[in-house]
Amino acid sequence: QKEVEQNSGPLSVPEGAIASLNCTYSDRGSQSFFWYRQYSGKSPELIMSIYSNGDKEDGRFTAQLNKASQYVSLLIRDSQPSDSATYLCAVIEISSGSARQLTFGSGTQLTVLP
Amino acid sequence: DTAVSQTPKYLVTQMGNDKSIKCEQNLGHDTMYWYKQDSKKFLKIMFSYNNKELIINETVPNRFSPKSPDKAHLNLHINSLELGDSAVYFCASSQDSRGEQYFGPGTRLTVT
Repeated sequence: QKEVEQNSGPLSVPEGAIASLNCTYSDRGSQSFFWYRQYSGKSPELIMSIYSNGDKEDGRFTAQLNKASQYVSLLIRDSQPSDSATYLCAVIEISSGSARQLTFGSGTQLTVLP
Repeated sequence: DTAVSQTPKYLVTQMGNDKSIKCEQNLGHDTMYWYKQDSKKFLKIMFSYNNKELIINETVPNRFSPKSPDKAHLNLHINSLELGDSAVYFCASSQDSRGEQYFGPGTRLTVT
């Protein structure tokens, strides 16, 4: 069974610190990787996408991908209380019918303490 | 102005009833999806349509039937609702099946 795994947390960091969120995936053929943020009672919001090995930076967010280790991470620098949310790792995988589907991890709940 | 919209936002109904949820996207995307998020917040694909054609149909009871009248709309009809159907249902869209997906606001379904 193809899986995307995340530490469920909760993860607490003080304001201004770096929050590090990790994700592993089982399908070696995966080529597209995403991080979504979901506030309580709201829909998932895309914050980062990454397609090739290495780092991708966007403002305070950095996504890191290592396909050899089947590992993708998200760093949030200068964490703010408004970053408190559940962060979902998602991976495009090939489903049983050869179609591509987005498989989500169970999410990591992040709390940034003022 | 909303990119992906769903109606209704909340739906409370009794067991055995039939209900529909509607989704529309104005992004010009070719692919649309239905996801279910259960009480444990796990988000799972139910269906995927590409240009009105069904391309993913995960293990979902056949009481659930998606319909795509055109590539901007994807509706979900549920027959004979059961207590276990209570969840939040999200519609999403993407340019193609490999691209970034954008989610609607969700429909919270409560079956009593």
